[in-house]
Amino acid sequence: GNSVTQMEGPVTLSEEAFLTINCTYTATGYPSLFWYVQYPGEGLQLLLKATKADDKGSNKGFEATYRKETTSFHLEKGSVQVSDSAVYFCALRAQGAGGYNKLIFGAGTRLAVHP
Amino acid sequence: ETGVTQTPRHLVMGMTNKKSLKCEQHLGHNAMYWYKQSAKKPLELMFVYSLEERVENNSVPSRFSPECPNSSHLFLHLHTLQPEDSALYLCASSRREGDEQFFGPGTRLTVL
Repeated sequence: GNSVTQMEGPVTLSEEAFLTINCTYTATGYPSLFWYVQYPGEGLQLLLKATKADDKGSNKGFEATYRKETTSFHLEKGSVQVSDSAVYFCALRAQGAGGYNKLIFGAGTRLAVHP
Repeated sequence: ETGVTQTPRHLVMGMTNKKSLKCEQHLGHNAMYWYKQSAKKPLELMFVYSLEERVENNSVPSRFSPECPNSSHLFLHLHTLQPEDSALYLCASSRREGDEQFFGPGTRLTVL
C-alpha cells in the first residue's frame, strides 16, 4: 500500500545549523510529493512540492528533491532560524479505494531551533 | 488569512453533550476534509467530501457525524464523545480531491 515514513523527532539544532529531515515513501507509480509545516497553534501549510522524478521543490530556503531511485524526498535547509521551529510533515498523493485522490501524511517531525 | 476558517477554536464538552464544529472555506474549492490530530500520533483522515458528496469515511465512530451542505461549508457534529476523542480537529479544502490542501487553524477539543 501507500505510506510515508519520516525520521522521528524531535530534531534540535542551533541557529544557522544545516537541517535534514528524512522522508521515504512507498507507492505504486510516481506520486506527487509534498512537505507541509505546522507552526505552534496553527493548521498545516504547504511548504513545497514536487510532481515528478528529479523535480526539486523549494520555498523559504527549504529544498527537497524527488528521488525515484531511493523513493525519498528529504527536506533540507542550509541555515535554520529560530522561527523555523515547527512540525514538518511529508506527504504523498495517492488514489483511494473509490478511485479518488487523497493525501497520505507521515507522522511528522518536530524541529526545535535554539539561539 | 488562510482562506479556511474554523469555529470554535477551543471547545470543552462533557461526554453527554452535543456540539458541532464548523469549517468554512472562501477559496472556491470543491473538496473538503476533516482530520484528527492527537498528541504523538499521525494525522488521521476522518472524512472527505468532494462536490458535497462524502467519498471517504475512514471507519470513524458514529458519534462523529459530518455534514456538507454546500461546497463552502463543512460541519462535524459531535455527540456522546469519549475522553480519548480529545484532540485537535483540522479542516482542509482543495480544488479537487488529492490536490494541494489548505488547512484551517483547527479546533482544540477537550472531552471531560
